[in-house]
Amino acid sequence: DVKVTQSSRYLVKRTGEKVFLECVQDMDHENMFWYRQDPGLGLRLIYFSYDVKMKEKGDIPEGYSVSREKKERFSLILESASTNQTSMYLCASSLGLAGAYEQYFGPGTRLTVT
Amino acid sequence: AQTVTQSQPEMSVQEAETVTLSCTYDTSESDYYLFWYKQPPSRQMILVIRQEAYKQQNATENRFSVNFQKAAKSFSLKISDSQLGDAAMYFCAYMGAGNMLTFGGGTRLMVKP
Repeated sequence: DVKVTQSSRYLVKRTGEKVFLECVQDMDHENMFWYRQDPGLGLRLIYFSYDVKMKEKGDIPEGYSVSREKKERFSLILESASTNQTSMYLCASSLGLAGAYEQYFGPGTRLTVT
Repeated sequence: AQTVTQSQPEMSVQEAETVTLSCTYDTSESDYYLFWYKQPPSRQMILVIRQEAYKQQNATENRFSVNFQKAAKSFSLKISDSQLGDAAMYFCAYMGAGNMLTFGGGTRLMVKP
């Protein structure tokens, strides 16, 4: 079974702090994704990576950066956390990018910025 | 840009009954995929069913089936013989030529025993 894990289920940070969210997948998938989930808005893509050290912006990249130094690990970085970044963050991975390839999701990290 | 709309924020169904969740989308593309994802409470999101737009036959997976109306840009999910384990958030999603998923706002399904 594909396993996507995220470093924390719950995280509380203060405004202005630098925040790291970590995601690890164990299926040698090429592609990894970071989404933000908000009530009524569904999931929105922040960034994705199609290879080590490669990244592409999604729909809402402002205020975020990412890092992929190893194939299995994809990090989301909030350089200076703000209250409007309080949200659920979901990581996903897939073998390919086309619709025939399923995206597998992690359990999510609920981040609260105070 | 493509948009996906789920007009029912919440739905409820009696156990063993059938329920239909609605989804509409807007696109100018002719070739794309549509998906339904399930997110159980405090558990990981999983893919329920997938439909390729060029296939006229509606996809089915056990108790889950879709009604895909391409001209109407409608993609509803039917759950038959509802079970308590079907209680979850359900998200409709679209993927076109850009190979990125666009999600609807979600429908929370409650199953009454």
